[in-house]
Amino acid sequence: AQSVTQLDSHVSVSEGTPVLLRCNYSSSYSPSLFWYVQHPNKGLQLLLKYTSAATLVKGINGFEAEFKKSETSFHLTKPSAHMSDAAEYFCVVGSGNTGKLIFGQGTTLQVKP
Amino acid sequence: EPEVTQTPSHQVTQMGQEVILRCVPISNHLYFYWYRQILGQKVEFLVSFYNNEISEKSEIFDDQFSVERPDGSNFTLKIRSTKLEDSAMYFCASSEVGLVGDTQYFGPGTRLTVL
Repeated sequence: AQSVTQLDSHVSVSEGTPVLLRCNYSSSYSPSLFWYVQHPNKGLQLLLKYTSAATLVKGINGFEAEFKKSETSFHLTKPSAHMSDAAEYFCVVGSGNTGKLIFGQGTTLQVKP
Repeated sequence: EPEVTQTPSHQVTQMGQEVILRCVPISNHLYFYWYRQILGQKVEFLVSFYNNEISEKSEIFDDQFSVERPDGSNFTLKIRSTKLEDSAMYFCASSEVGLVGDTQYFGPGTRLTVL
């Protein structure tokens, strides 16, 4: 069965410092992995996805994630946090015959001025 | 840019009442999904829908739930007799081809409150 575990429920950084949101996955085959972001009172927006091409995936707003099979990880990073990055971030794995998504618990990113 | 829309944004209902949540997927997409998020919990898959049929459903999606594409543009989720535990944010999503790895585009959600 496919699953993802987000290792931190809450991460707090200062504006301008790096962001690291951690995600480990479990999959019996090569997974499709996603990061989605949810700003308050907004829908879920795709940041980036990995589908067995390049292991370093670049997304929107300066975010990127690296697929590491040996560590079963797909951590999300950004070199310099901006106040507008404050949101809930979900690590997600695709599964099943219709590509249903299985979500992690979510990580709340707080950005302090 | 095309987007998924959902109405209403917030629905309050009494326990035992029927509710219908509405979604308009992106127009050229073929696969449609419903997910829910109970406050403080994970986003959970409910059902996927393709070619006017349910393709896959979770154990949450019992006989109290149904989905329909009534008119070629709307995609609805009906809960026949709501329970307190149905209170959640319900998200609709759509994708072009429904394969693992295909991007799903989400609507802003409907917050359902059952009293």
